[in-house]
Amino acid sequence: AQSVSQHNHHVILSEAASLELGCNYSYGGTVNLFWYVQYPGQHLQLLLKYFSGDPLVKGIKGFEAEFIKSKFSFNLRKPSVQWSDTAEYFCAVNFYNQGGKLIFGQGTELSVKP
Amino acid sequence: KAGVTQTPRYLIKTRGQQVTLSCSPISGHRSVSWYQQTPGQGLQFLFEYFSETQRNKGNFPGRFSGRQFSNSRSEMNVSTLELGDSALYLCASSERTGSGANVLTFGAGSRLTVL
Repeated sequence: AQSVSQHNHHVILSEAASLELGCNYSYGGTVNLFWYVQYPGQHLQLLLKYFSGDPLVKGIKGFEAEFIKSKFSFNLRKPSVQWSDTAEYFCAVNFYNQGGKLIFGQGTELSVKP
Repeated sequence: KAGVTQTPRYLIKTRGQQVTLSCSPISGHRSVSWYQQTPGQGLQFLFEYFSETQRNKGNFPGRFSGRQFSNSRSEMNVSTLELGDSALYLCASSERTGSGANVLTFGAGSRLTVL
């Protein structure tokens, strides 16, 4: 079955620390990849997406992600986190021939200490 | 542009009742998808509609149904509610469907509590 897994359920960092959140998906051919963020009390928002082309994609608020096809991975990174990055982060994958359906990872809760 | 609007935002029902949730997509968006979010199962796909037709369906029982109107607004219905149906129900809209290479914009959700 098609699946998406996020390696960390809860990550705690101090401000200015670097962040890397892992995301792996099961084999499924062509994929479209997304990271969404849910700030406390707010709705899901798109951070960044990968459809094709350069595997290193940049998103909002200094986030970036790298698609490594051979590893079925799409890890999210940020060089220096801020307290305002405290949120839950979701990796989502659209597998080929699944229309607009997204399969989400379980989410990673990020807590940034000031 | 107004975002995706979901109503009601909060509701409480008892087991055995039914519920209807509404979603108004972003103007110009013709595709609407529904997701269920729970602490245990995370975000799970319910269904996707485009041009009033269901294009895709997740692994939920037949108690969960939906429809889309000609103005792209969508409703989902859950009949014979069970305690496990307590969740945040999210609606998302996008400009098109089919390729999957399009961005979903999510609403704030309807939080359903079943007692």
